[in-house]
Amino acid sequence: QQQVKQSPQSLIVQKGGISIINCAYENTAFDYFPWYQQFPGKGPALLIAIRPDVSEKKEGRFTISFNKSAKQFSLHIMDSQPGDSATYFCAAGGMDSSYKLIFGSGTRLLVRP
Amino acid sequence: NAGVTQTPKFQVLKTGQSMTLQCAQDMNHNSMYWYRQDPGMGLRLIYYSASEGTTDKGEVPNGYNVSRLNKREFSLRLESAAPSQTSVYFCASSLDRSTTGELFFGEGSRLTVL
Repeated sequence: QQQVKQSPQSLIVQKGGISIINCAYENTAFDYFPWYQQFPGKGPALLIAIRPDVSEKKEGRFTISFNKSAKQFSLHIMDSQPGDSATYFCAAGGMDSSYKLIFGSGTRLLVRP
Repeated sequence: NAGVTQTPKFQVLKTGQSMTLQCAQDMNHNSMYWYRQDPGMGLRLIYYSASEGTTDKGEVPNGYNVSRLNKREFSLRLESAAPSQTSVYFCASSLDRSTTGELFFGEGSRLTVL
């Protein structure tokens, strides 16, 4: 019940295209869903996060879509740029897990020029 | 402002050797964490410290011990290293337990156990 399943494992997108990464969770008590971005040789950094009281959150070119009934959430990167090439992790957490985040397995995104 | 600092960045050990990974944060955060990152497995929590003086097991604590030395420092010790502990280790901190989602990570320590 604590798993967070992330897909795809890798993604190649042309510059200017839309990158979409999907995650599904099982624990309905989760109430915090962040996305982290990691560049090679660096630690992950918080990119954007959403709570289940809204269905969508947008920050610049990055949007989280959240479907509570399906227990799924996704990251959309609009107008993808080569500088967006990184590994992206979804995560979930909440009071039920003592606020410890459960991470997805990661998606390696490559944006071709 | 350094954020979260980990040492060493790279280490090679032989099976059975011991070592300690050091972590320090300068953001006055209360909670600190140790994760390991393995290909295709994301980030898995080893141990965490919700506040100074407390530590708790995460998902994969076997073979590790931790010490919350003070509010700034949280160390991870491998008493008898095994090849299965070859990984990249990340230390992270958050303001407090209620905002665990907002983690600040160090740059990682790459450990190879031969």
